[in-house]
Amino acid sequence: SQQGEEDPQALSIQEGENATMNCSYKTSINNLQWYRQNSGRGLVHLILIRSNEREKHSGRLRVTLDTSKKSSSLLITASRAADTASYFCATDQGAQKLVFGQGTRLTINP
Amino acid sequence: NAGVTQTPKFRVLKTGQSMTLLCAQDMNHEYMYWYRQDPGMGLRLIHYSVGEGTTAKGEVPDGYNVSRLKKQNFLLGLESAAPSQTSVYFCASSYLGPIDTQYFGPGTRLTVL
Repeated sequence: SQQGEEDPQALSIQEGENATMNCSYKTSINNLQWYRQNSGRGLVHLILIRSNEREKHSGRLRVTLDTSKKSSSLLITASRAADTASYFCATDQGAQKLVFGQGTRLTINP
Repeated sequence: NAGVTQTPKFRVLKTGQSMTLLCAQDMNHEYMYWYRQDPGMGLRLIHYSVGEGTTAKGEVPDGYNVSRLKKQNFLLGLESAAPSQTSVYFCASSYLGPIDTQYFGPGTRLTVL
């Protein structure tokens, strides 16, 4: 079964607005990663946050991690048309592999 | 660097046929993974390898076999294809495993009739 569950499954916003996606998981983790997938392409790594970190930034991306609630959020600020993609969280459960969620499909409308 | 490459990009098989998908990476990564992606299902791990000569089962290994004879290559085999194996297959690699970034190939779209 999938460890990470993204919410919402789909999100549609206007260009320039902020987009927030959430990921929940069920067991303790070592780290959590976010990936982006453009239509028909392979996944691209965005950011990794370790279990002892609470917040991390990378450009227009802000990731938070709340281990007490077993949840993470990905915020994309000032969205652009090029941000249209699916976004996946992936968790490291300590078993030499990542477990991916089902993804959030983000659409940025011009 | 080419990164992670996958061969072929597209393939159509008939039920019962066999085929091998090839994944190659030029980043000297120890870990390699095979995933399948189906609509609404996200990525599911088929098999993975933590180094040359090693393989391990993932979440959905039935109907697939793998080999890692060379560090740079990870092969995924379907011995007798079934329509349920129609999917997009992605290969990925990483240097330090789950504590590290995974680099993905462009995918192979497989249809089994």
